[in-house]
Amino acid sequence: EAGVVQSPRYKIIEKKQPVAFWCNPISGHNTLYWYLQNLGQGPELLIRYENEEAVDDSQLPKDRFSAERLKGVDSTLKIQPAELGDSAVYLCASSTGTSVSGELFFGEGSRLTVL
Amino acid sequence: AQSVAQPEDQVNVAEGNPLTVKCTYSVSGNPYLFWYVQYPNRGLQFLLKYITGDNLVKGSYGFEAEFNKSQTSFHLKKPSALVSDSALYFCAVEEGSQGNLIFGKGTKLSVKP
Repeated sequence: EAGVVQSPRYKIIEKKQPVAFWCNPISGHNTLYWYLQNLGQGPELLIRYENEEAVDDSQLPKDRFSAERLKGVDSTLKIQPAELGDSAVYLCASSTGTSVSGELFFGEGSRLTVL
Repeated sequence: AQSVAQPEDQVNVAEGNPLTVKCTYSVSGNPYLFWYVQYPNRGLQFLLKYITGDNLVKGSYGFEAEFNKSQTSFHLKKPSALVSDSALYFCAVEEGSQGNLIFGKGTKLSVKP
């Protein structure tokens, strides 16, 4: 069974440029998460989807970040424009249920460097 | 607000020796606690969880964790460390019934031969 797939794995851009990350969750997983992981820190939730609905986007900086999961399967996270402080790893995860008292399955992450 | 703390940035252990990676938590209500491991350039992998029941939880790769309510701790343990256990370990708590995990900052485990 394929795991959570993310692309690109690495992205280098200049500040003020846009960037997008794509995530394909494990088949059948209704819940999808985007996490931000800064160097030396634990992941922090940006947004959580139940199917196509964003049920928690309270930590998403909406002035420059946006996300979508149009058909309740794969998802895209966009930053426009990127700032130096956005350099981090963006992790996607999925799970089967609405409560996370189960297991989250993470992708390998997309490492963003903003110059 | 829910939170977890991992007081050690790094733990060094000799191969074959027991290891402990510490985690304390702060929650309102009953805690749902987790340990995840992250190998270099890889995504996080689930190790084990405590939801309810036995305070000693067994997980993947020979790891176990002990839930201690009075000390609000959930330390990760392994009786005999392997070099291949070297990785970054994250403790996490579920935020209420929201289905969100709050992670600690991580502890780097280094196992030397």
